[in-house]
Amino acid sequence: SQTIHQWPATLVQPVGSPLSLECTVEGTSNPNLYWYRQAAGRGLQLLFYSVGIGQISSEVPQNLSASRPQDRQFILSSKKLLLSDSGFYLCAWSPHGTVGQPQHFGDGTRLSIL
Amino acid sequence: DQQVKQNSPSLSVQEGRISILNCDYTNSMFDYFLWYKKYPAEGPTFLISISSIKDKNEDGRFTVFLNKSAKHLSLHIVPSQPGDSAVYFCAASLATGKLIFGQGTTLQVKP
Repeated sequence: SQTIHQWPATLVQPVGSPLSLECTVEGTSNPNLYWYRQAAGRGLQLLFYSVGIGQISSEVPQNLSASRPQDRQFILSSKKLLLSDSGFYLCAWSPHGTVGQPQHFGDGTRLSIL
Repeated sequence: DQQVKQNSPSLSVQEGRISILNCDYTNSMFDYFLWYKKYPAEGPTFLISISSIKDKNEDGRFTVFLNKSAKHLSLHIVPSQPGDSAVYFCAASLATGKLIFGQGTTLQVKP
């Protein structure tokens, strides 16, 4: 069966520090991968998605970037964090090339910027 | 521009009664609609989906209804149980596979 792992679960970082959040998927090949952010009291906002290694699409202009160095690895990064980057970050995957298939989420990372 | 809206931030029902969660959308190009359930500090869990060519899909206690003319979908939970207490998100899918989420509705089921 497929599983998705996301770490760390919680992170407290000072303003201006770098960020690296990692997500890995097991039990499937060539998945579509996604990064979402849930700000306090709001829905899930899609930040990035990837349909293959090295293929990244950005949904909103922001202070963050994403990379996919391996088929089942998705990384969310920032060179200098802002206060507004605080939130709950979720990684998700879905089968490649399918329509209407649900995305499956990791347990998220709670990021607090001080 | 909020393409998917859940206008009720919260809902409280008694155990055993029906819970009805509502969702409205604006984009007629959405081809699938999904409901997710989320507990605090966890990722959302997929519950049920419906294709835009159908008007109803049922899975156990959960039924999703789609009214395309009104651009409205709803999730019915019958009977509601305390363990159903969570945040429920509706989402709409484009042909690209991307999901657009609503803001979520917090459901509380009281014993």
